[in-house]
This record gives sequence, C-alpha cells and structure tokens, in this order.
Amino acid sequence: DIVMTQSPDSLAVSLGERATINCKSSQSVLHRSNNKNYLAWYQQKPGQPPKLLIYWASTRESGVPGRFSGSGSGTDFTLTISSLQAEDVAVYYCQQYYSNPPFTFGPGTKVDIK
Amino acid sequence: EMQLVESGGGLVQPGGSLRLSCAASGFTVNTNYMSWVRQGPGKGLESVSLIYIGGSTYYADSVKGRFTISRDNSKNTLYLQMNSLRPEDTAIYYCARDRRLDISVAGTGGFFDLWGRGTLVTVSS
Repeated sequence: DIVMTQSPDSLAVSLGERATINCKSSQSVLHRSNNKNYLAWYQQKPGQPPKLLIYWASTRESGVPGRFSGSGSGTDFTLTISSLQAEDVAVYYCQQYYSNPPFTFGPGTKVDIK
Repeated sequence: EMQLVESGGGLVQPGGSLRLSCAASGFTVNTNYMSWVRQGPGKGLESVSLIYIGGSTYYADSVKGRFTISRDNSKNTLYLQMNSLRPEDTAIYYCARDRRLDISVAGTGGFFDLWGRGTLVTVSS
C-alpha cells in the first residue's frame, strides 16, 4: 500500500498570512501514461464530513476559493492557502488514488489561527 | 441537488451486527463508484470498502470477511453490512462517491467528490 505522510501535524497562522501544508507519498503517484498526479486534498471542519478541495494535485474543485492552491509532482506535494481566513480553520488531508485500492489518506494537518 | 444521507448507526456489543444505509439523490448509485470511508474518534480517514460500477467489490484488510458492501438500484441506496463487530470498528462511517475522470488508465482510482454527513457506530459492551 502507498503510505501518505503530512507535515506539519499542526500549524497556526495569522489571518491574511500564508499557510503551507506538505504531503509525501511512499511511491510516485504520477502516472506516465497521462502525466497526471493522482493526488487530492480535502478540508474537514469540526463536526462536518470532508470536503474535496483539489484533485489531480492542482485542479481546484468547482466552488473552492482561489486562495487554495495545490502543487507538486511525483512524491512531494503542497497545499497552500494564500491568505488565511477564519473559515479556513480545519484539518486538511491529502489522499492518493494512484493504484488499486486502498486509496490512502495522509494523517491530517490541523490549521488554526495564531 | 446531489446528496448522500447515511443511517443505521448506533451502539452495538462486540460480536454484533449492523447494516448501514446510504440513500442517494440527484444521481444514480449504480452508474458511479461508491465507497464507505470511516473515521475513528479523533483519528484520520480510512477507506473501508468500494463497489465498482460493474459490481466488483474491495475491502480493507481490517474488515475483509466481516463487512459486505452492496447496493439496491431500485432504491438508489448503498449498504454496508457489518458483522462480527469489534471495538476498533467504532467510528463515524461516511458514504462517498468515488469520481474517476480518466477510466482509460487501468488500475487507478478516484477522489471522493460527494460525502454524506456520516453515521456513528459504537462497538462497546
């Protein structure tokens, strides 16, 4: 199984500042046949289900604010919140969907306001 | 509006059984890949089971032989039959749609673009 790790475990950022979350996979999730990274990002607020933010490592889901962006390729990925808003307080998970199941999630990164 | 609504959770003793349901609206379950994802108390997300459009199924090693995923096309509903429950199965169980944008690439999966609000399963004596 592909193991996903995330760093940091948690971070506190001032309102309006940048938040950066890292995700690493134990093997590449870049498929050579279509040059796509099989990596998604989710946001989970307290008491709510996860919400899809980004897929293909960098494609924003419809309706997701432009301050959320994803980057990276192969085994190393980043989710960036360019200007943190109060409503962005949440736990963020990465997930790979490269190989046959299980499609594994990272352990999560908690984002708070400083 | 597309929606998933889970039901059937509750308190059950170790060794007991529960059947979870997930009613879909706004789309059809049998033309989509559908999954159950669980989240233990204060823990992360674990993909538990998947049913492919063609009817094939997948189970995580932790539930294989104990859980069964199925669907009822006439009711547009997904199910998870859970037997021989253990305390470590305690979790919120989410129903999720597995979206696949490039099915031409064999052996790859999808991301979860639609989630229900979840149903809590507690296994305790």
